[in-house]
Amino acid sequence: GDSVTQMEGPVTLSEEAFLTINCTYTATGYPSLFWYVQYPGEGLQLLLKATKADDKGSNKGFEATYRKETTSFHLEKGSVQVSDSAVYFCALHSGNTPLVFGKGTRLSVIA
Amino acid sequence: NAGVTQTPKFQVLKTGQSMTLQCAQDMNHEYMSWYRQDPGMGLRLIHYSVGAGITDQGEVPNGYNVSRSTTEDFPLRLLSAAPSQTSVYFCASSLAGTGGEQYFGPGTRLTVT
Repeated sequence: GDSVTQMEGPVTLSEEAFLTINCTYTATGYPSLFWYVQYPGEGLQLLLKATKADDKGSNKGFEATYRKETTSFHLEKGSVQVSDSAVYFCALHSGNTPLVFGKGTRLSVIA
Repeated sequence: NAGVTQTPKFQVLKTGQSMTLQCAQDMNHEYMSWYRQDPGMGLRLIHYSVGAGITDQGEVPNGYNVSRSTTEDFPLRLLSAAPSQTSVYFCASSLAGTGGEQYFGPGTRLTVT
């Protein structure tokens, strides 16, 4: 079945550092790909998405490009802030099956 | 719009007790779902519904029941609580289909002693 694998955390960075969180997927068909973010004590919220190969999703300085050849959707940000500290989830959606999540990567940004 | 609301926010149960976690959305979304979140396990799908009167099982349905009598509400019932059901529960909704772009509620933290 469909699955998502993302790098295990926690990831600890200094403010203004470059962030990459790796995400790869296995899916039949042509899935849509998502990054969700969960701030402390809250539910998940959609950060960005891409619906087809070579699409780039972007929001709040974060970017991810849908790479079909490497089945990847890595999350990047050029300069992280303390307020970016959260858990990040990669997810895929294909056809009529429910959304499939990775296990999440906790990011801590220190000043 | 209030979005997706969940009640209660916190709950402590004793083993064997039953309870219902409430979830409601005011966005006229067809798709609703329940997840549990445990440390190191990510989010696991319990049950989902693609519309009123239709429900289906997710990855971890045992010990939980759902029904969907209206578009707005999707309650989750624990029939006989067990310590293994200690978790944070999230309800989510999506406009249509099986929910690629989902809106999440704030969660219910449940402890079973």
